[in-house]
Amino acid sequence: DAGITQSPRHKVTETGTPVTLRCHQTENHRYMYWYRQDPGHGLRLIHYSYGVKDTDKGEVSDGYSVSRSKTEDFLLTLESATSSQTSVYFCAISESTRGLEETQYFGPGTRLLVL
Amino acid sequence: EDQVTQSPEALRLQEGESSSLNCSYTVSGLRGLFWYRQDPGKGPEFLFTLYSAGEEKEKERLKATLTKKESFLHITAPKPEDSATYLCAARGSNYQLIWGAGTKLIIKP
Repeated sequence: DAGITQSPRHKVTETGTPVTLRCHQTENHRYMYWYRQDPGHGLRLIHYSYGVKDTDKGEVSDGYSVSRSKTEDFLLTLESATSSQTSVYFCAISESTRGLEETQYFGPGTRLLVL
Repeated sequence: EDQVTQSPEALRLQEGESSSLNCSYTVSGLRGLFWYRQDPGKGPEFLFTLYSAGEEKEKERLKATLTKKESFLHITAPKPEDSATYLCAARGSNYQLIWGAGTKLIIKP
């Protein structure tokens, strides 16, 4: 998984509670991404980061926030979890040589269930 | 609107039975067409990137091709270990990846 770990790997939470997912990389790559994957849909980008403290929104960012205080860590927070946020969340990384044109490499995923 | 459509949704083959998976895309200013393999419970694993029509890439029993409207992933004499979901994604002029929903491939021994 290209030196990428995600934690936790599985989580069950209740509606209305905040949840933070962590992505950690050992590749020193500049770009990091958070996606969600749902049955019948392609991967959808939530947020991405192009450097420490530099982040931008993806196509499904409502209800999510991110932070990146170190190159190796990218956190995704569900501010108040809802059942529609039940999903599998993937972190991805890419090098900076060609900016956003680089190939993305994925972590193992976090399976989140919101009751 | 940028869009990527994969077909079929699922494909069952006998071991050794060659076939192709399709990825149709409508993306302005294509900046790469990507193929990934995803095993159950795991993250997508990168296979190929194609950049221009006519380009082909091969890896073991897999060959990816690209035209101006679609990409094909050809699987020659597949084995049960080739069973997985295959994802394609297209990168357009805004640099973001647009993903298809995937084709689930099952190879029976």
